Amino acid sequence: QVQLEESGGGVVQPGRSLRLSCAAAGFTFTSYGMHWVRQAPGKGPEWVAVISSDGGDKYYGDSVKGRFTISRDNTKNTLYLQMNSLRDEDTAIYYCAKDSRRISGYPQGWGQGTLVTVSS
Amino acid sequence: DIQMTQSPSSLSASVGDRVTITCRASQVISNYLAWFQQKPGKAPKSLIYAASTLQSGVPSKFSGSGSGTDFALTISSLQPEDFATYYCQQYYSYPFTFGPGTKVDIK
Repeated sequence: QVQLEESGGGVVQPGRSLRLSCAAAGFTFTSYGMHWVRQAPGKGPEWVAVISSDGGDKYYGDSVKGRFTISRDNTKNTLYLQMNSLRDEDTAIYYCAKDSRRISGYPQGWGQGTLVTVSS
Repeated sequence: DIQMTQSPSSLSASVGDRVTITCRASQVISNYLAWFQQKPGKAPKSLIYAASTLQSGVPSKFSGSGSGTDFALTISSLQPEDFATYYCQQYYSYPFTFGPGTKVDIK
């Protein structure tokens, strides 16, 4: 079955950078798009970004566009989220999720998340 | 961006009740609508996609309906494990957006 394990979260100061990773197993990683979705404390999920199965197409949410970059390494079955210029409002649990298809499907299977806290 | 709304924001129900949650999109999204269940401290879990198709492994007491802008999630007979928060999400156009959620708790 789908196994997704996020890592790289932690406490970071505003304005600094952080890179999240998501190790995938249990499915053919190269056939599916991948999402990042975040959830601030006590709030609902917020979609962050998606990348196509081959990495050629990427789309972002308005609040992270220009600051965050999604990427993937299909040789390592790993998804990444490079987060720059972090703000207090980026504090959240970050989930990676497998798309239901190559791209533009829904987040079908989710990891358990990694917590990012932006604070001085 | 497409805005998603849900009603009610919360509801109290008893075991065995039939429960319906509605979700509305600010513009037509055809049937590009998914429903998720989330329990405290856990990741969201996919229940339904394409507005009415049950995700593999999800019990048939869950059902979805609707198309265009108005959608519904129905739980036919509420069980203790169904008390959770439910979210809808549109995947018709970027950026994808979630509804604010409906919390279902025990009466």
